[in-house]
Amino acid sequence: EAGVAQSPRYKIIEKRQSVAFWCNPISGHATLYWYQQILGQGPKLLIQFQNNGVVDDSQLPKDRFSAERLKGVDSTLKIQPAKLEDSAVYLCASSLDGEVNQPQHFGDGTRLSIL
Amino acid sequence: DAKTTQPPSMDCAEGRAANLPCNHSTISGNEYVYWYRQIHSQGPQYIIHGLKNNETNEMASLIITEDRKSSTLILPHATLRDTAVYYCIEHGNEKLTFGTGTRLTIIP
Repeated sequence: EAGVAQSPRYKIIEKRQSVAFWCNPISGHATLYWYQQILGQGPKLLIQFQNNGVVDDSQLPKDRFSAERLKGVDSTLKIQPAKLEDSAVYLCASSLDGEVNQPQHFGDGTRLSIL
Repeated sequence: DAKTTQPPSMDCAEGRAANLPCNHSTISGNEYVYWYRQIHSQGPQYIIHGLKNNETNEMASLIITEDRKSSTLILPHATLRDTAVYYCIEHGNEKLTFGTGTRLTIIP
């Protein structure tokens, strides 16, 4: 089965610019997650979708970050405007139904560098 | 914050069994123990999970103590490709919370 697809793989922008990341989850997975991983740390959840609805966005900096999953399949995460502290790897994951006994499967992420 | 405790680093000789410990002394009855690993420049990879019983799959075995306060992930025949950061996570109704894991290095 195809895994979680993310693009682009790398992105370099200047601070105050905007950027968008795309994720296509495993086919049939209802739950989609976006994580931020800063160098040397474990991934941190930003937002969780169940189909096209938001389940948890408590850790999402809503003044600059936004995410959508309009048709309940693929998803886009946007940062506008970017700050230096946003330099990180942005990981997308999906799971079958979001239940605790269902593992999450991760893509390889987008590495974002802010100049 | 992560609720599990893992050694920051471990080495294991290639071909030997790698045994990675994890303490989760505050685990609740409905929380699973999950193990993921992250190879350099890749996303985390799911390995195995369990609630009470020991579990085994094609990648690893998970041994959970009877009191559920600790567990051990066993990679039976470690290869160089098993070099990675291994995360042990308590996962219940709250979000998956990663700590800093154990950096496992397989020595040729």
